[in-house]
Amino acid sequence: GAVVSQHPSWVICKSGTSVKIECRSLDFQATTMFWYRQFPKQSLMLMATSNEGSKATYEQGVEKDKFLINHASLTLSTLTVTSAHPEDSSFYICSARLRDTYEQYFGPGTRLTVT
Amino acid sequence: KNEVEQSPQNLTAQEGEFITINCSYSVGISALHWLQQHPGGGIVSLFMLSSGKKKHGRLIATINIQEKHSSLHITASHPRDSAVYICAVFSGTYKYIFGTGTRLKVLA
Repeated sequence: GAVVSQHPSWVICKSGTSVKIECRSLDFQATTMFWYRQFPKQSLMLMATSNEGSKATYEQGVEKDKFLINHASLTLSTLTVTSAHPEDSSFYICSARLRDTYEQYFGPGTRLTVT
Repeated sequence: KNEVEQSPQNLTAQEGEFITINCSYSVGISALHWLQQHPGGGIVSLFMLSSGKKKHGRLIATINIQEKHSSLHITASHPRDSAVYICAVFSGTYKYIFGTGTRLKVLA
C-alpha cells in the first residue's frame, strides 16, 4: 500500500527558532499534499493544501508567513514553523493524495514542543 | 451543527462484542472515508466508499447515499481495536470534512 513518511517524528525546540517538517510519499506520486494540526483529543484541522510546483493554499486563520510550505517535488512537501512559540506546540500530520483519486494516505505525524 | 456527525462520541465495549459506529452527513459527497487513529497519533485508512458495502477482515463499512448515512461495524472486537475512528467526506473538493470522531475502548 501507499506509504507516507514524516520526519522528524518528534522535535523539541526553543522559542524563536524555526523547525522544518518533511512529508514524503515513498512509493507514489502526490500532486497534492495536505498539512493538518491536531490538538489533544480534538479533530484534525486543515492548515493548508500544498500543490507541487505552485504556492500553497492556506485555510482561513492560518498565517502563511508563520507556516511556510514548500512542495518542491511530486514526493516531498515541507512545513517550516518559523519563529516558533509555545502555542505552536502541537501534533502536525501530513497526507498525500494519490493522483487522480480521492485516496489520501497519512504520515505518522510530528509532535512539536516549543519551550 | 457539524456537516459530519458521528455517534457515539465515546464507546466502551467488552472484548468480543459487535460494535457499530455511525456517521451522518448533511452535504452532497463524492466519497466517504473511514479512518482509524491510534493513541500514538498515526492515522490508518480503513475504507473509502461511494456506495454499497465493503468488508476487510473483521471490519465492515456501509453507506446509504439517499439517507446520507454510513456505518462502520467491528465484529468480534479486540482490545487492539481501541482507537479513535473518524468519518471524513469529500464534498466537491479533495479536502476532507471530518466528523467529530468516536473514541473506542475495548476491554479485555
